[in-house]
Amino acid sequence: GQNIDQPTEMTATEGAIVQINCTYQTSGFNGLFWYQQHAGEAPTFLSYNVLDGLEEKGRFSSFLSRSKGYSYLLLKELQMKDSASYLCAVGGRGGADGLTFGKGTHLIIQP
Amino acid sequence: DSGVTQTPKHLITATGQRVTLRCSPRSGDLSVYWYQQSLDQGLQFLIQYYNGEERAKGNILERFSAQQFPDLHSELNLSSLELGDSALYFCASSGGTGLKSGYTFGSGTRLTVV
Repeated sequence: GQNIDQPTEMTATEGAIVQINCTYQTSGFNGLFWYQQHAGEAPTFLSYNVLDGLEEKGRFSSFLSRSKGYSYLLLKELQMKDSASYLCAVGGRGGADGLTFGKGTHLIIQP
Repeated sequence: DSGVTQTPKHLITATGQRVTLRCSPRSGDLSVYWYQQSLDQGLQFLIQYYNGEERAKGNILERFSAQQFPDLHSELNLSSLELGDSALYFCASSGGTGLKSGYTFGSGTRLTVV
């Protein structure tokens, strides 16, 4: 089975940096995904890590340590529009099992 | 517009009834995934179809069933509905395994059972 843990809620200030952590325990692993979801809307893909290390994409970066079962999403230069839920998800074997999602971290950006 | 189309956007029905949710995947994508999202459970994987065939099952109830048609659109059938089935139902599609580029989600169907 899969177990994915991430904080329920975080608060940060506009213009600052925030790190959202995710730990996972899985019976199969084929990559770790981060999605952004605004309330009532579809999740949108942010990043994918399958090897250890940091992947950078603009203001967003994602890190993976497979040995530790740990990932984080780093958001820089926070903007009010970054207020959303951030979902950590693990891919199964060859993608055939779909993605297993954590319950998401609700990020609140304050002025 | 993500390219994944789901209809209807909203659905209100009574307990015990049956409904059908429809999904058209992004052009060229062969895989369709169905997810249920409720407030307390987060996004739960229900079922995957690949090119018309069932490929993987997640936490899908026996009252629920799905299929993928030759034109690759998919339908999720929910029967004997209960209050607890009220949720957002998302469809996602991918070209193959969905790795690297992730899965593309539709805008969802909000089901309310009264």
